Amino acid sequence: GENVEQHPSTLSVQEGDSAVIKCTYSDSASNYFPWYKQELGKRPQLIIDIRSNVGEKKDQRIAVTLNKTAKHFSLHITETQPEDSAVYFCAARTGANNLFFGTGTRLTVIP
Amino acid sequence: DAGVIQSPRHEVTEMGQEVTLRCKPISGHDYLFWYRQTMMRGLELLIYFNNNVPIDDSGMPEDRFSAKMPNASFSTLKIQPSEPRDSAVYFCASTETELDEQFFGPGTRLTVL
Repeated sequence: GENVEQHPSTLSVQEGDSAVIKCTYSDSASNYFPWYKQELGKRPQLIIDIRSNVGEKKDQRIAVTLNKTAKHFSLHITETQPEDSAVYFCAARTGANNLFFGTGTRLTVIP
Repeated sequence: DAGVIQSPRHEVTEMGQEVTLRCKPISGHDYLFWYRQTMMRGLELLIYFNNNVPIDDSGMPEDRFSAKMPNASFSTLKIQPSEPRDSAVYFCASTETELDEQFFGPGTRLTVL
């Protein structure tokens, strides 16, 4: 099955700086890569996603890049704010509807 | 729509007891997923259904776990007998064929003493 690795496990940045979280996947057939944000005690919620036929996608301060050859994708958050503090999960899907999640990155934005 | 509904939100039980977790997916969604979240293992897919039929239960840890979906609006995850290592947050999520996003419920925090 698919194996998704995520780094770093924790990340602290100063407010206003950028944050980058990286994931790799093992199955070259994976074609959909979402990112979920989970605030403390809350449910995971989708913040951005990308399909394998696209190399980059941006939504305001959030962007995701995908390198299919290297089988890795990254989340970029610019101009970080304290409310960005949360755990972020990457995931990969291989055609069926089940997602394989990374182990999560705890992002702390220091005011 | 109220979103995915799970009950109970919190469950505390003693080792050996039966535990039943419940989920109501978003109306019209034909996929339902059960996940377990722990600090050590992160988010793990336990089982998922399509049109009420179990498609992949390879994530179910052992025979003590079972899941059913008797109709399109209800699913249960049962642990019998429960053990302390089953303590975790259990999430239910749903989606439909034409969507990518999985919508998560609020989760059930299970503590087995």
